[in-house]
Amino acid sequence: QKEVEQNSGPLSVPEGAIASLNCTYSDRGSQSFFWYRQYSGKSPELIMFIYSNGDKEDGRFTAQLNKASQYVSLLIRDSQPSDSATYLCAVNGDNYGQNFVFGPGTRLSVLP
Amino acid sequence: NAGVTQTPKFQVLKTGQSMTLQCAQDMNHNSMYWYRQDPGMGLRLIYYSASEGTTDKGEVPNGYNVSRLNKREFSLRLESAAPSQTSVYFCASSEGILAKNIQYFGAGTRLSVL
Repeated sequence: QKEVEQNSGPLSVPEGAIASLNCTYSDRGSQSFFWYRQYSGKSPELIMFIYSNGDKEDGRFTAQLNKASQYVSLLIRDSQPSDSATYLCAVNGDNYGQNFVFGPGTRLSVLP
Repeated sequence: NAGVTQTPKFQVLKTGQSMTLQCAQDMNHNSMYWYRQDPGMGLRLIYYSASEGTTDKGEVPNGYNVSRLNKREFSLRLESAAPSQTSVYFCASSEGILAKNIQYFGAGTRLSVL
């Protein structure tokens, strides 16, 4: 059973701080990694994807991947109240999504 | 573009009733997926279709059937609904190519089985 684990939270950070979200996965063959944001009552929307070790930056968001340690993280700089949502980590091992596994999500609360 | 469209948005069923959830995408994607989302359990894959004409079971297929009607449409059928199938159902689609296997989600169907 391939697993993706996340701290369920809630993770509370003050406005303007850096929020750090972590995800670990069990399948060493995993090839691509995704972070989705899900507001309450809404559908998941993609924030970032990464498939090479290291960091990938997009605006206030940075994804970090360490395949040797089997973890992927998401940093949100200058956190805003509008960033308050559940963040889902997803891991994909093949072309067709058969091994596309989501973590349970971490609930982030950014306090004004 | 509408992206991924799901119907209906809400549904209440009695135990034993049947229904079909509809999903259509206008992004010319090859792959389509059905997930259910329950509190604290994230998204779990029910069925997927790698390409038109093929379907495969995911993690939790029992009690469901699917049809890939054409490249655009992928439906999910509950033949005899059970209270355990109360959930939020999401349809998603992707290009299906490894480096671009980004999944785009519909708005979801909130199903209650009484």
